[in-house]
Amino acid sequence: EPEVTQTPSHQVTQMGQEVILRCVPISNHLYFYWYRQILGQKVEFLVSFYNNEISEKSEIFDDQFSVERPDGSNFTLKIRSTKLEDSAMYFCASITTGVYGYTFGSGTRLTVV
Amino acid sequence: AQRVTQPEKLLSVFKGAPVELKCNYSYSGSPELFWYVQYSRQRLQLLLRHISRESIKGFTADLNKGETSFHLKKPFAQEEDSAMYYCALEGSGSARQLTFGSGTQLTVLP
Repeated sequence: EPEVTQTPSHQVTQMGQEVILRCVPISNHLYFYWYRQILGQKVEFLVSFYNNEISEKSEIFDDQFSVERPDGSNFTLKIRSTKLEDSAMYFCASITTGVYGYTFGSGTRLTVV
Repeated sequence: AQRVTQPEKLLSVFKGAPVELKCNYSYSGSPELFWYVQYSRQRLQLLLRHISRESIKGFTADLNKGETSFHLKKPFAQEEDSAMYYCALEGSGSARQLTFGSGTQLTVLP
């Protein structure tokens, strides 16, 4: 069964540093998402991406965040200057039309120290 | 605004007992509802979607629009059902974003 792949599985970074989280969605999927889950809290929507542009973003997704699909396969989330409160599990997901229910990646655990 | 409420953070049942994980939603339109499961240290996996009216691993969920509920049920719980369960709502917007409940940690005791 096709999978959404995320790398790295765990990243530790210093506060103020830039991080890039990588995702390879399922190849024929059209909609791509980033969600995050702070430890002990619910899974929260960050951003959706369709047709090479952001289609929706939450209030969490401020100017420190950006997404790209640079080469038609990778889908990246960049946090420009990390803060302690960015520590969370970040999940990538993808879906295509006519299908109900996302396929999620296994997540990247980001720890900001 | 759309909201999903799972009132129980923790739920323990004995093996073989029935289990019901509660989910209530708030949404002005016609929602698409899902249950996702997260086994220990693994990815979120789609368990059920209301539109399919299916039964997966013995679990079923019925959408009750009058009560705005989508409770997950299984008549006989198994130890391997122990996991975190999330109810999620997909709005009708073009972005198809999900709103998750806070999750219920189910523990099935031997």
